[in-house]
Amino acid sequence: DAKTTQPNSMESNEEEPVHLPCNHSTISGTDYIHWYRQLPSQGPEYVIHGLTSNVNNRMASLAIAEDRKSSTLILHRATLRDAAVYYCILRTGSSNTGKLIFGQGTTLQVKP
Amino acid sequence: NAGVTQTPKFRVLKTGQSMTLLCAQDMNHEYMYWYRQDPGMGLRLIHYSVGEGTTAKGEVPDGYNVSRLKKQNFLLGLESAAPSQTSVYFCASSYVPVNEKLFFGSGTQLSVL
Repeated sequence: DAKTTQPNSMESNEEEPVHLPCNHSTISGTDYIHWYRQLPSQGPEYVIHGLTSNVNNRMASLAIAEDRKSSTLILHRATLRDAAVYYCILRTGSSNTGKLIFGQGTTLQVKP
Repeated sequence: NAGVTQTPKFRVLKTGQSMTLLCAQDMNHEYMYWYRQDPGMGLRLIHYSVGEGTTAKGEVPDGYNVSRLKKQNFLLGLESAAPSQTSVYFCASSYVPVNEKLFFGSGTQLSVL
């Protein structure tokens, strides 16, 4: 299974942009990069996903490196409600067994 | 749509007791997953299913059994609960294509005394 590596924790100030990195050096050509976040005492929720091109939605932007071995989730203006654990995962396209491994994620602290 | 519903939300068991956690989804998803989350840790995959009548082991399957007799339901069973199974359990589901997103339930807090 292709794995992802994220920093354990990051800090940000409120109303400043946040860049959350994810390394996935063993990604294959048909793997989609997904990001989820988990607010305190809640189940994870979908944030964004992409394959090759950068993606934007109302929650965040996803910047994917040209070689696809890394990606960055961008929160343009962090709010206190963005404090959460952020997970970067790969959904494998080539041999899709359905197995999905999450890992530890990055705990984001947002300071007022 | 209710999405993904987990029952119960809370449960306290004594060591050796058995119980079943139910996950129900109303989105006609093929894939369903059971994860556990311990304090300060990420999600660990217990078992998953790629369709009705199928199940497969994840990262930490020992001590758990699962069944997917109906497409909309995925059951997680603990035959003889142990304190090490005290955790928050999350269920998730999705369509097959890998560009489809996962939907999660709100979790079940299980304590085994």
